[in-house]
Amino acid sequence: EVQLLESGGGLVAPGGSLTLSCAASGFIFSNYAMIWVRQPPDEGLEWVSAVAASYGNTYYADSVRGRFTISKDNSRDTLYLQMNGLRAEDTAVYYCARILSSGAFDYWGQGTLVAVSS
Amino acid sequence: QSALTQPRSVSGSPGQSVTISCTGTSSDVGAYNYVSWYQQHPGKAPKLMMYDVFKRPSGVPDRFSGSKSGNTASLTISVLQSDDEADYYCCANGRGYNVFGTGTKVTVL
Repeated sequence: EVQLLESGGGLVAPGGSLTLSCAASGFIFSNYAMIWVRQPPDEGLEWVSAVAASYGNTYYADSVRGRFTISKDNSRDTLYLQMNGLRAEDTAVYYCARILSSGAFDYWGQGTLVAVSS
Repeated sequence: QSALTQPRSVSGSPGQSVTISCTGTSSDVGAYNYVSWYQQHPGKAPKLMMYDVFKRPSGVPDRFSGSKSGNTASLTISVLQSDDEADYYCCANGRGYNVFGTGTKVTVL
């Protein structure tokens, strides 16, 4: 059974940093690209960042480029999102998801809440 | 890239059909046949309902169907059931980018 479990969310002051983790199980993690998607309270979905299955190609939404860093540790079956320079508008539930070859996201974690506030 | 445009809400009675539109541009929806749809119940993670415009993942009922014409994709739910009441999001999947729709709340009357 495919499972994705996010952790690392919490309350952080503006300008602060946080690292999210997504532990994967039930599939060959190194074979899949992965993505982070976020959802601000009572708002829609927004893709944040994606990483290729291997070799490290990374992609970022304009809203986070230069502040967030995605990484994938295939030896630990874990996806990460390092978030620096956090802003109030980064407040959201952050989901990790697995990417199909066509680009769709077929399995999602339960999400972890990041709240940026003083 | 701007969010894809979806109607804010659609509604129908049990047994009826509803169609949700998703309008983008020739650079996203119209560019490739890589449009996916997600269902999200309150407080839950999104669930993949359709990919590559019209392909259903295993376990998704055939009451759900997808199509695309030009820059607009559509998701149709036929024989509406109470459990279909949820938010639905389209997404254009590209290499190096993804753009979601604004979301549509489906209400079963």
